Amino acid sequence: QKEVEQDPGPLSVPEGAIVSLNCTYSNSAFQYFMWYRQYSRKGPELLMYTYSSGNKEDGRFTAQVDKSSKYISLFIRDSQPSDSATYLCAMSDRGSTLGRLYFGRGTQLTVWP
Amino acid sequence: EADIYQTPRYLVIGTGKKITLECSQTMGHDKMYWYQQDPGMELHLIHYSYGVNSTEKGDLSSESTVSRIRTEHFPLTLESARPSHTSQYLCASSELTGPSSYEQYFGPGTRLTVT
Repeated sequence: QKEVEQDPGPLSVPEGAIVSLNCTYSNSAFQYFMWYRQYSRKGPELLMYTYSSGNKEDGRFTAQVDKSSKYISLFIRDSQPSDSATYLCAMSDRGSTLGRLYFGRGTQLTVWP
Repeated sequence: EADIYQTPRYLVIGTGKKITLECSQTMGHDKMYWYQQDPGMELHLIHYSYGVNSTEKGDLSSESTVSRIRTEHFPLTLESARPSHTSQYLCASSELTGPSSYEQYFGPGTRLTVT
């Protein structure tokens, strides 16, 4: 079983839609949760960073962590064509001195006008 | 402006050649990482470093080597390139300690094709 599972999609939505992206994980020690956005032929860009459970909002983006279900989500409100990218979830455990990140495979999102 | 730079961005090279992928950062970070990314797959950690003269192998078996002579510079070398090395290589950096040490910042990547 992989540490982090993420549906690769692809996901295609019209402009203005609410997008929900999700990851599940198996390691209950994970405490730090991140979402990265990766445009084609670019490196991943850190989008959201949350610690432990709860919600975090930043503009049109909301990250949710449910540690009891080992499930994290990223919501994008009022999606724009510029949101078209691959979204990677990543997570780490508190005991990792390296700060080692475990990544999902990424979900490819297309927002069409 | 603080950033991470990778050169070259694209490289097509023949089998058996020695290549070095460059990575530099002006973030002031101590920790640096090299990842390999294939289409539709997870990022795999191949090398990391805590600071100058510190280098370790990651999870993915790799025939590459790295060096860390300067804090801002973390080059990756392949002594003899093979078609199986064809991939995207991503360099990243982060702070050494504290909650921010989990925030890794990535360069634009080098797309390597070995023919």
